[in-house]
Amino acid sequence: SQQGEEDPQALSIQEGENATMNCSYKTSINNLQWYRQNSGRGLVHLILIRSNEREKHSGRLRVTLDTSKKSSSLLITASRAADTASYFCATGLNSGNTPLVFGKGTRLSVIA
Amino acid sequence: GAVVSQHPSWVICKSGTSVKIECRSLDFQATTMFWYRQFPKQSLMLMATSNEGSKATYEQGVEKDKFLINHASLTLSTLTVTSAHPEDSSFYICSARGVGPLHGTGANVLTFGAGSRLTVL
Repeated sequence: SQQGEEDPQALSIQEGENATMNCSYKTSINNLQWYRQNSGRGLVHLILIRSNEREKHSGRLRVTLDTSKKSSSLLITASRAADTASYFCATGLNSGNTPLVFGKGTRLSVIA
Repeated sequence: GAVVSQHPSWVICKSGTSVKIECRSLDFQATTMFWYRQFPKQSLMLMATSNEGSKATYEQGVEKDKFLINHASLTLSTLTVTSAHPEDSSFYICSARGVGPLHGTGANVLTFGAGSRLTVL
């Protein structure tokens, strides 16, 4: 299965702290993406990192990818209460009909 | 950016009735749409992939006669849960991949609808 597995399943931190979530996958990929889901809502795309990239930044987000270990990490710096959500990694290929396969997600709670 | 509108957000129905969920891409043409199902505190499970004008491809274990998917145009896909039962209660989410400047990365980025929570009594 190509499914990603996030670690930890749940994370609770204080506002201002950094949050790190990890994702491991099993097969070769073209890219890995991170999505965010607020409770009872759809998913919002956060960031995509291609297989030939090792690190990528977007605002307070930092994503790393280690294809040799088939793993990725998402770091949210200076967390805010509004960052409370579930975060999913998704692996995919670039071909048109290939669906994304999502991991189980990490539920992040940021306490004000 | 790309927007996908999904309706209804909430639906409660009696057992045995059918429920239709619509998913519309508002500012782009969705060549492919994906339907996912999500149980509480679980990940998204892919149900089917639909391409405009052709039959949907269902994942193993998903009953195509129970979950009817129609992708009649490049901006609209529908999921109909037929003869719904309490075990069909779930959160259904559509997502779309399109063409055009909003999807210029050429990568596999999906735009998601807000989801539809179905409760079958």
